[in-house]
Amino acid sequence: GQNIDQPTEMTATEGAIVQINCTYQTSGFNGLFWYQQHAGEAPTFLSYNVLDGLEEKGRFSSFLSRSKGYSYLLLKELQMKDSASYLCAVGAYSGAGSYQLTFGKGTKLSVIP
Amino acid sequence: DGGITQSPKYLFRKEGQNVTLSCEQNLNHDAMYWYRQDPGQGLRLIYYSQIVNDFQKGDIAEGYSVSREKKESFPLTVTSAQKNPTAFYLCASSIDLQGAEAFFGQGTRLTVV
Repeated sequence: GQNIDQPTEMTATEGAIVQINCTYQTSGFNGLFWYQQHAGEAPTFLSYNVLDGLEEKGRFSSFLSRSKGYSYLLLKELQMKDSASYLCAVGAYSGAGSYQLTFGKGTKLSVIP
Repeated sequence: DGGITQSPKYLFRKEGQNVTLSCEQNLNHDAMYWYRQDPGQGLRLIYYSQIVNDFQKGDIAEGYSVSREKKESFPLTVTSAQKNPTAFYLCASSIDLQGAEAFFGQGTRLTVV
């Protein structure tokens, strides 16, 4: 099985920078995804990391360390519309060769003025 | 427009009745998934399918059934055997299983009374 941990809630100020961490334990690791989900809506894709290092995409960046089982999502220049849940998801192959995408419980980010 | 469509958005059923949730995609994706989301629980995988006429159980398959007779369609039946069916159900698809982002439908909120 897989174990994915991320903080339940975070609060940050508009214009600031926030880092949301995700740790995971899995076998057959094949990539880590970050999704954004506004309340009552479907998740939308933010980033994908399969190799170690930092991937930057506008105000959002994602980092991966496979040896540490660790990733973070960095949000810069926070805006009120960034208030949402951020889901860490791990792709992995099982022993039988099937691929699963497993999600963490999500981190609810509240951006305050 | 290409996308993934779930219907209906809200669904009410009486306890003891089976109900089928629709999921259709015109993205030509091979892989399709069903997730359940409860407050504080994140997304939990119910069933997934890699190709037509093939599907695998996820982490919480008990009380659910699926079919994949067509590439575009992956309906989920919530049976009377599911003890706590009231939840937000999300369908997703991806172009293949490895490293591809999953696109989500808008979800179906099922309430069983």
